[in-house]
Amino acid sequence: AQTVTQSQPEMSVQEAETVTLSCTYDTSESNYYLFWYKQPPSRQMILVIRQEAYKQQNATENRFSVNFQKAAKSFSLKISDSQLGDTAMYFCAFTPFGNEKLTFGTGTRLTIIP
Amino acid sequence: EAGVVQSPRYKIIEKKQPVAFWCNPISGHNTLYWYLQNLGQGPELLIRYENEEAVDDSQLPKDRFSAERLKGVDSTLKIQPAELGDSAVYLCASSLDPYGGELFFGEGSRLTVL
Repeated sequence: AQTVTQSQPEMSVQEAETVTLSCTYDTSESNYYLFWYKQPPSRQMILVIRQEAYKQQNATENRFSVNFQKAAKSFSLKISDSQLGDTAMYFCAFTPFGNEKLTFGTGTRLTIIP
Repeated sequence: EAGVVQSPRYKIIEKKQPVAFWCNPISGHNTLYWYLQNLGQGPELLIRYENEEAVDDSQLPKDRFSAERLKGVDSTLKIQPAELGDSAVYLCASSLDPYGGELFFGEGSRLTVL
């Protein structure tokens, strides 16, 4: 069974700073997808960034980038120039190739301080 | 384009009462998911539909939970009778590609059982 671990229940940073959220996962699969989803307070969860395990290049989306370390089974999210709108719960998630079941971590509550 | 719509947003009931949640996915999304999100936890899959067929309901407590997706569009999740431990947020999501594709979530239905 796959597991996803987010070891930081809460984090806070000053606006405009850079913050990194950690995620580790456990799987015997060699091909899979990894995701970071954002859940703002009282709003729906949205996809932040997606990484395919067979791609060596780390995914980036504007101010969001990942550090994917396949051997270490680590998938951290870096948010640069953090903004107040980045305040949210962030969930790391995993799904193997050919499998539709998404496994989520327990989340990290990120607060951006003005 | 309209997103995933869920109703009601909030529901308070007494234990042993029935409750139903409704979800309208994004048009054209054949895959529909119901997730359970307990406080401080990541979402956990309850059931997944491909069109009108429930293809993964292994995590659905079938003694009290039921779901349907008539005509492969809207879906309803029912709990009867509700228990105190059912207090949680019930999330509906849909996707165009169930194999590693992006999930689009609704705002969720928050259930409180007294």
